[in-house]
Amino acid sequence: KQEVTQIPAALSVPEGENLVLNCSFTDSAIYNLQWFRQDPGKGLTSLLLIQSSQREQTSGRLNASLDKSSGRSTLYIAASQPGDSATYLCAVSLEETSGSRLTFGEGTQLTVNP
Amino acid sequence: NAGVTQTPKFQVLKTGQSMTLQCAQDMNHEYMSWYRQDPGMGLRLIHYSVGAGITDQGEVPNGYNVSRSTTEDFPLRLLSAAPSQTSVYFCATRPRAPSYEQYFGPGTRLTVT
Repeated sequence: KQEVTQIPAALSVPEGENLVLNCSFTDSAIYNLQWFRQDPGKGLTSLLLIQSSQREQTSGRLNASLDKSSGRSTLYIAASQPGDSATYLCAVSLEETSGSRLTFGEGTQLTVNP
Repeated sequence: NAGVTQTPKFQVLKTGQSMTLQCAQDMNHEYMSWYRQDPGMGLRLIHYSVGAGITDQGEVPNGYNVSRSTTEDFPLRLLSAAPSQTSVYFCATRPRAPSYEQYFGPGTRLTVT
């Protein structure tokens, strides 16, 4: 059974700091990995999706990397801002035919202090 | 374009009552899923559908039914509510390949007393 772990569970940083969130998964036979953001009381917003054949994806100040063989992904946030405060979730999908089946980590709760 | 909508936003049920959580999407996405989110457990898949008329069980299907008669709607039915079903429920959609990005609704917060 696929298991997804996110470390740390919570992180508090001063504004402007660069930071890294970690995600690890037990079954390396993934189809893709997706990073989401969740604000309190809200739904999930997709940030970045990395296909298994890719090594990284970038969007603005966000960069996600994937090392499938070691079962790891990182989300790098550059020059953090208070508006980045949220819970960040990673999720993996195993097969294209079941592409709507995601296995989630429990998330990292990020607080960026002004 | 409303995206993914869920109703109601909040609901309180008594043990044994039944209800239906609604999910609708206007993006013509083939794939739809239901997840529940609980503290310390993350999001877990309840049921999913790869197209109208096709549904399958996820990780935690017991106590829930689904049907998919149209592309747009994917209701989740609680047959006899139990306190263990107190949770936040999210509906998600995804188009066919080559896009794999998932879109989530705003959620329904359900309390069973």
